[in-house]
Order: sequence, then C-alpha cells, then structure tokens
Amino acid sequence: AQSVTQLGSHVSVSEGALVLLRCNYSSSVPPYLFWYVQYPNQGLQLLLKYTSAATLVKGINGFEAEFKKSETSFHLTKPSAHMSDAAEYFCAVSDPTSNFGNEKLTFGTGTRLTIIP
Amino acid sequence: DGGITQSPKYLFRKEGQNVTLSCEQNLNHDAMYWYRQDPGQGLRLIYYSQIVNDFQKGDIAEGYSVSREKKESFPLTVTSAQKNPTAFYLCASSPRTGEVTEAFFGQGTRLTVV
Repeated sequence: AQSVTQLGSHVSVSEGALVLLRCNYSSSVPPYLFWYVQYPNQGLQLLLKYTSAATLVKGINGFEAEFKKSETSFHLTKPSAHMSDAAEYFCAVSDPTSNFGNEKLTFGTGTRLTIIP
Repeated sequence: DGGITQSPKYLFRKEGQNVTLSCEQNLNHDAMYWYRQDPGQGLRLIYYSQIVNDFQKGDIAEGYSVSREKKESFPLTVTSAQKNPTAFYLCASSPRTGEVTEAFFGQGTRLTVV
C-alpha cells in the first residue's frame, strides 16, 4: 500500500521568503509523485510531477521539487514567495505498476500556505 | 474551452434523501474519478471508471453509487445510506495514453445535509 505524509498542516512565510512544503511517501516500488494546488472552493491544479526521469522537477509558477529516494521525500520549494501563492497544496502518489500512473492517486492531507505581507 | 464541469456548485440535502452530482467532461478522456474532500483529510477516492460501462470502487465507496453510460459523463449519487455526506466532492478525468499524465479536476460540488 502507498501513503503520503505532509508535515505541517499550516505553513506561513513572509512575502519574498523561501517556500518549503514537505512530503514523504511510502511505497513498495518507486512511485510516481505529484504536487497539486487548490485555491478556496476550487478544484485542484497540477503544479508538477515526477515520473522517474530527472529527480529535480520544475513546475508552474516557479515551483520545483526534488525526488530523494534515500529520504523517500518529494519536498516542494519556491525561492521567493508571492502573495498569490497562498493556497492549499497536496502531495499525491500513484503506483506505476498499475495500468497507468495516474490511476488511484493517494493524496496527503494537505498543507495550507499563508503568505505574510 | 475543454474542461470538466461539475454541477451544481452548492447542494443542500435533507436527511434520508438521495442526491445526484453531475460531472461532464469534453476532454475525450477515458478515465474519470470521484473524490471526497474533508477538512484535514485530503482527498479520498470514492469510485473510478476506466472505460464506458465499467467502474470500480475506491477507498470509501459505501453509501455512493455511480454510472458510466457515456464517455463524457460520470454522475455520482449520494444515497441515504451515506451517514455523513456533508463534504466537498471533486470529479476528475485523465487520458489513458500509456504515458503518465495528471488528472484534471472540476471545480467541485459542496454538499450540505440540512
């Protein structure tokens, strides 16, 4: 079984500061990993995904994440926070041995990011 | 514009009633999904469908039912057997191209039991 742990249900950073959102996974096989963003009362939008190619993945809006197998982590970072980054962020994992990697995503519990002016 | 449309955006249900949430996509995706979102619990998979006329239970299927009679439609019925239906429901779809692609989400339906 796969699982995802997001450390910190709430994270606050100052505008212009580094954003670091943590995600650790548990999987019996090398997984596919995703980060999604959700704005209030909206659906989810993909930020980036890891599919066993490059371990450093760049996404939209200046976000990136690094897959570290030894640490079973896939932390999300952004060098300089902007007010528009305030949202909830979800890490998700899927099983690449299933028919297709995006089936049956298992989500973490989410991290709400607040930006302090 | 291509996308996923969920309706209604807000839905109120009396206890003991069945309600149906609509999900339509014009992305020509084969796979469709229903997730339930509760505060502090992330998203949990209710049902998913890989092709028309076929669907599988997810992790929390009890009290829910679905149908997939058309490729573009995947309605979810919340039955009276669902004891705690108040939640935010998200529909998603994805292509089955053999490559890893993301799921595309609708804007959600917020269901409240009154």
